[in-house]
Amino acid sequence: GESVGLHLPTLSVQEGDNSIINCAYSNSASDYFIWYKQESGKGPQFIIDIRSNMDKRQGQRVTVLLNKTVKHLSLQIAATQPGDSAVYFCAENLAGSARQLTFGSGTQLTVLP
Amino acid sequence: EAQVTQNPRYLITVTGKKLTVTCSQNMNHEYMSWYRQDPGLGLRQIYYSMNVEVTDKGDVPEGYKVSRKEKRNFPLILESPSPNQTSLYFCASSLLTNTEAFFGQGTRLTVV
Repeated sequence: GESVGLHLPTLSVQEGDNSIINCAYSNSASDYFIWYKQESGKGPQFIIDIRSNMDKRQGQRVTVLLNKTVKHLSLQIAATQPGDSAVYFCAENLAGSARQLTFGSGTQLTVLP
Repeated sequence: EAQVTQNPRYLITVTGKKLTVTCSQNMNHEYMSWYRQDPGLGLRQIYYSMNVEVTDKGDVPEGYKVSRKEKRNFPLILESPSPNQTSLYFCASSLLTNTEAFFGQGTRLTVV
């Protein structure tokens, strides 16, 4: 069956360093991937997405990398700031599926001063 | 402002007392979903809807009902709540299934 998981449940980085959050998915039919950020007491907020016909996409301070060969997704945050502290979720959508997104269990990112 | 609005934000109820959590979106999205979030389990889909009068079960539908009589509203109904339904609930909407989903602020439900 499909599954989306994360390699590490927690990640601590120094302010100003780059962060890398990893995600594995098991279903090779997935064709859309998305990263969300969830701050305490709030709903998930969109960060960046990528489709399976791409292997890299950049936003403001964030980059998503997709490696379809090993079914791996990563989120890179440049110059991590205290406001980046949150739980980060990856999610996938199967091609042709009507079920919206399947989420991983999340990684807690803590930015140290 | 584009948004998904859930009500209430917090609710404490007793076992067996029917309740409804409302969800409304103002983006004219066709797709809407309900998720529950539990520690260590991430977000799990309860029900989803592809359009008015079209709903289907997600991964954890037991004990829940939904309706989609209007495009903007997608209420979640717990006919007879039980303590194992204590959770944080999120409603989401998107234009298509493979586009960004917008989430509400969440409803924290406690069933005692």
